[in-house]
Amino acid sequence: DVKVTQSSRYLVKRTGEKVFLECVQDMDHENMFWYRQDPGLGLRLIYFSYDVKMKEKGDIPEGYSVSREKKERFSLILESASTNQTSMYLCASSLGDWTAQFFGPGTRLTVL
Amino acid sequence: SQQGEEDPQALSIQEGENATMNCSYKTSINNLQWYRQNSGRGLVHLILIRSNEREKHSGRLRVTLDTSKKSSSLLITASRAADTASYFCATDERSSNTGKLIFGQGTTLQVKP
Repeated sequence: DVKVTQSSRYLVKRTGEKVFLECVQDMDHENMFWYRQDPGLGLRLIYFSYDVKMKEKGDIPEGYSVSREKKERFSLILESASTNQTSMYLCASSLGDWTAQFFGPGTRLTVL
Repeated sequence: SQQGEEDPQALSIQEGENATMNCSYKTSINNLQWYRQNSGRGLVHLILIRSNEREKHSGRLRVTLDTSKKSSSLLITASRAADTASYFCATDERSSNTGKLIFGQGTTLQVKP
């Protein structure tokens, strides 16, 4: 079974802090994705990557950056956390284009 | 960008009944997928139906796709309390080869024991 793990289930940070969210998948998937999920807004794509060191902006990249130095690991970085970044963050991976995505358990981030 | 829209937003049924959820989308697709999310957890892939398929089954799940109407439905038969979750449809964009999916807002299903 594909396993996607995220570094934390719950995280509390202060405004202005730099925040790292890490995601690791163990199935040699090419594509990796970061979403945020908010009530009433559904899942929104922040960034995705289709290869090592490659990244593409999603629908809401502002305030975020990503890093993919190794195929199995995709990191989401909040350079200077703000309260409006309080959300559930979901990482996913997929084998290729137009295939199923496998999600991690999510990180619920609270920025105070 | 296109957006899948699920209908209804919320559904409450008794155990043993069937649950039907609908999804509409706006642009041409390669495939449509359905996912389930239990409260506070990640999404779990349920089923993928390709644009040239009209119906697909997986256990108690039945998915239909009507590309002429740009709509899909998910039927869960003989529902169980464990089916209580939110259900999302997701579509790609035929004009894009990035593997991106666009998720709908979801249908929240409650199955009462």
